[in-house]
Amino acid sequence: DADVTQTPRNRITKTGKRIMLECSQTKGHDRMYWYRQDPGLGLRLIYYSFDVKDINKGEISDGYSVSRQAQAKFSLSLESAIPNQTALYFCATSDLGLSTDTQYFGPGTRLTVL
Amino acid sequence: DAKTTQPNSMESNEEEPVHLPCNHSTISGTDYIHWYRQLPSQGPEYVIHGLTSNVNNRMASLAIAEDRKSSTLILHRATLRDAAVYYCILRLNYGGSQGNLIFGKGTKLSVKP
Repeated sequence: DADVTQTPRNRITKTGKRIMLECSQTKGHDRMYWYRQDPGLGLRLIYYSFDVKDINKGEISDGYSVSRQAQAKFSLSLESAIPNQTALYFCATSDLGLSTDTQYFGPGTRLTVL
Repeated sequence: DAKTTQPNSMESNEEEPVHLPCNHSTISGTDYIHWYRQLPSQGPEYVIHGLTSNVNNRMASLAIAEDRKSSTLILHRATLRDAAVYYCILRLNYGGSQGNLIFGKGTKLSVKP
């Protein structure tokens, strides 16, 4: 089984709808991240969480919110989806967040907002 | 944030070595150099990292310039499965963002049979 899973893998929705993307991990890591990727570009950080009680904004947090329900679960919400939020979304985890740490990524969720 | 510069794309022949360059002239003394790659339709995966000395692992080698302003990822024998986008990333080593990855556009590597 994959260490980092994301659901759904694909989602098509309409402008104005509320959407939740979910991420679960079995690696026992404290740190979790949400990124988005637009075509031809690298990943950009949306939110990150050091532990259940610690949530931090990343580079592009406007229009998004997150919830860290447990060490293993980190959800990303779009309260009112808009077309320019159409993108590929990745969840990732890491252990201590040290400069030597590795981040482990999920398979991604492809979101289309019509 | 310290930035990296990579060529947009490179081509290689199967079973030949590949040298992927990265410039990071504004690197600070404690930033680690990480490389990730993203295979088609997958999330990024870790390849290798280093600070000052050259590094080897089962996937690749990392050669770091003496002044640390550039580095080169070396795939010793490219396979078709190595076709991917390769990201050179400086790992922040200070403040509340310690450990965060700052992705650029990366280098798209094509491998020809």
